[in-house]
Amino acid sequence: DVKVTQSSRYLVKRTGEKVFLECVQDMDHENMFWYRQDPGLGLRLIYFSYDVKMKEKGDIPEGYSVSREKKERFSLILESASTNQTSMYLCASTPTPDRGYEQYFGPGTRLTVT
Amino acid sequence: DQQVKQNSPSLSVQEGRISILNCDYTNSMFDYFLWYKKYPAEGPTFLISISSIKDKNEDGRFTVFLNKSAKHLSLHIVPSQPGDSAVYFCAASAGGNEKLTFGTGTRLTIIP
Repeated sequence: DVKVTQSSRYLVKRTGEKVFLECVQDMDHENMFWYRQDPGLGLRLIYFSYDVKMKEKGDIPEGYSVSREKKERFSLILESASTNQTSMYLCASTPTPDRGYEQYFGPGTRLTVT
Repeated sequence: DQQVKQNSPSLSVQEGRISILNCDYTNSMFDYFLWYKKYPAEGPTFLISISSIKDKNEDGRFTVFLNKSAKHLSLHIVPSQPGDSAVYFCAASAGGNEKLTFGTGTRLTIIP
């Protein structure tokens, strides 16, 4: 059974703080993704990674960076948090395409920036 | 530019009836489609998928229909149950790319 865990369920940070969101998957998946979910906008891809130390920008990468030092761990970094980054952040992982495109999601981190 | 659209933000259906959720897409390169279900305070979970070489895929109470010429897919749930109340997202993938493009979601409420 695939498990994707996220370091925090709820987080409150101040404007300008550096924020780290951690995601760990236990199924040896190659691909990992970070999304944010906002009402009326659905899930939007921030960054994704196909391999260790590899990263690619998604649709809304501005204001974010990522780190993948180990295969099982993918971190999202908000360099200087702003109020418009208040959102639900979701991490997902998936194996190689020959095993399907289904993505497995973590429970999400609700981040509030004040 | 929203490449995957769910034009109904919400839908209410009587328990036992059929629920039909719709999704439209604009990118003709999309060749694999998925539906996810999301409860509050949880991550989305995979429900059902369909490849562009098919026009229908069934799994228990859930059936997905794909109309490539209309760039439209739909999810049918029959019979609808109270536990089906959730937000449903459709998603699409293009040409073996693991990256998914999601729609905006439809909140389904099943009325007992």
